[in-house]
Amino acid sequence: SAVISQKPSRDICQRGTSLTIQCQVDSQVTMMFWYRQQPGQSLTLIATANQGSEATYESGFVIDKFPISRPNLTFSTLTVSNMSPEDSSIYLCSVDGAEDTQYFGPGTRLTVL
Amino acid sequence: GQSLEQPSEVTAVEGAIVQINCTYQTSGFYGLSWYQQHDGGAPTFLSYNALDGLEETGRFSSFLSRSDSYGYLLLQELQMKDSASYFCAVRDPGFQKLVFGTGTRLLVSP
Repeated sequence: SAVISQKPSRDICQRGTSLTIQCQVDSQVTMMFWYRQQPGQSLTLIATANQGSEATYESGFVIDKFPISRPNLTFSTLTVSNMSPEDSSIYLCSVDGAEDTQYFGPGTRLTVL
Repeated sequence: GQSLEQPSEVTAVEGAIVQINCTYQTSGFYGLSWYQQHDGGAPTFLSYNALDGLEETGRFSSFLSRSDSYGYLLLQELQMKDSASYFCAVRDPGFQKLVFGTGTRLLVSP
């Protein structure tokens, strides 16, 4: 199994500002995944972050809005840029485990005013 | 692409048995996973079916029929703590990403 931590756990931000979310894993992993979960909704993949290469973004998500860094095999950051109230969500990072499992961090609950 | 449909909400009483269905449309298929998410918590892995049939893990069982593109999660001897959201998921064969179903909110009452 993998233990994942995220910072911050929650934040309240003003529109137009940016927030960087950190994700730390207790073991080295090739891919890290960033998801968004809007209130009462399912999980939507934002991007896949591979160490040493550009992140791969899903349809509807762009690098200018959600820049991602992956400086090493245990750490990644997701920035939510120029925020609007529509960005209010829970942001989760995850990594693959054995037998098609995926382990998730505790999430970052973001509220944009 | 991949799409997975689930009922939005299911209600049941303590001690009962409940079944949460998942129908999927995928361009390729490796297997069906199930995740549980309590309010304010992270999703946690429950089970995985790669082949047709029933997989049992304690009070939880999961079933898969690949010919019907259908699976379900069966929860027995329901407890209040089982109140949560449940998601089915499939792995996108081309990009290794996990695609989640629409989610089912289970409410267990005394």
